[in-house]
Amino acid sequence: QQQVKQSPQSLIVQKGGISIINCAYENTAFDYFPWYQQFPGKGPALLIAIRPDVSEKKEGRFTISFNKSAKQFSLHIMDSQPGDSATYFCAATTTGANSKLTFGKGITLSVRP
Amino acid sequence: EAEVAQSPRYKITEKSQAVAFWCDPISGHATLYWYRQILGQGPELLVQFQDESVVDDSQLPKDRFSAERLKGVDSTLKIQPAELGDSAMYLCASSLALANTEAFFGQGTRLTVV
Repeated sequence: QQQVKQSPQSLIVQKGGISIINCAYENTAFDYFPWYQQFPGKGPALLIAIRPDVSEKKEGRFTISFNKSAKQFSLHIMDSQPGDSATYFCAATTTGANSKLTFGKGITLSVRP
Repeated sequence: EAEVAQSPRYKITEKSQAVAFWCDPISGHATLYWYRQILGQGPELLVQFQDESVVDDSQLPKDRFSAERLKGVDSTLKIQPAELGDSAMYLCASSLALANTEAFFGQGTRLTVV
């Protein structure tokens, strides 16, 4: 059973456009939801994260929107740039003594110049 | 800037041979994770350490995989014997503590089993 599901599988956006990546989770015990960015040949790097006590978090061009009742959260990349082309993973975890991340399958974003 | 160090970056090994990967977490990070990432998939947790103790190894194929973190600092993941299906990226990550959710990843070891 896949506990964290991402959509779409791939995304192509023009430079300056908005990239939107969605994620749905199963486990209602999850209470920390990060997004990771991974470039080819590199390990994932934390981009932005949210906890369920807020519905939105913004850091620069990156925004997470969170819908607790729907068990969904999404990443919005404003003014998308070619340098944003990467694979993006949503993840989820419980916090506390045995915190461990469960990742989605990832989506490949290509931003065209 | 502090980083999680992994070596080697790439490893090609023949089926049935033994292979080992090394990870040095960020200094002061008590929690260390080994993940496996198959091409086109998200990372999947293999084993989690708190200091030198294993906290979770429920997804580690213990018939062929082993992991240790003897002094609670660096860690080694071993596969013996390697199988074709083990070809993947092996990622190490660390965080300050078990309850700290921000994990920092190394660049990984790309394993190819031929």
